[in-house]
Amino acid sequence: SQKIEQNSEALNIQEGKTATLTCNYTNYSPAYLQWYRQDPGRGPVFLLLIRENEKEKRKERLKVTFDTTLKQSLFHITASQPADSATYLCALDPSTNQAGTALIFGKGTTLSVSS
Amino acid sequence: GAGVSQSPSNKVTEKGKDVELRCDPISGHTALYWYRQSLGQGLEFLIYFQGNSAPDKSGLPSDRFSAERTGGSVSTLTIQRTQQEDSAVYLCASSLRQTSGELELFFGEGSRLTVL
Repeated sequence: SQKIEQNSEALNIQEGKTATLTCNYTNYSPAYLQWYRQDPGRGPVFLLLIRENEKEKRKERLKVTFDTTLKQSLFHITASQPADSATYLCALDPSTNQAGTALIFGKGTTLSVSS
Repeated sequence: GAGVSQSPSNKVTEKGKDVELRCDPISGHTALYWYRQSLGQGLEFLIYFQGNSAPDKSGLPSDRFSAERTGGSVSTLTIQRTQQEDSAVYLCASSLRQTSGELELFFGEGSRLTVL
């Protein structure tokens, strides 16, 4: 069956450390993978998109990698801050045609950064 | 408007009643999506609309759920004869167009439904 999994439900780290979140998928061949941030009681907010031909993408303290062989994306937050505490969701399009379908989401990893 | 607007933000209803949830997408966005998020769960796809094409209803959990989009803009999600398991946050999102995951989704703040 097709699945998208985020390995850890929760991740606790200390301020200043690098947080690494994992997203694995099976039986998909997505052309893109997206990461969102969701704060309690709010809707998800888009962070980064990475294409299948891009191995790595950066935005400020964020870095995303995409390994289509391992079927895995890693999401890194460097120099983490308490304000980075939130749930992070990965998402992909399960279709292989240009018309596409709705994004499917992992269950998310809740990151807590302590000061 | 500046963002995706959803109403009501909170709805408490009794089992068996019908509810309507409204979504006003970002102006100019042709694609509109409904997702459901239960406590501690991920986003569950329900339905999406793209322009004048027939909607993809493949995620609707039962025939008690329906949605429409009038004039290519505002959408209403209707749940008939609500059950307690329908309790969740219903999230609406829009994007410029529906493509193969290339475009980001803009989400509203959600409508929290509680069925007693």
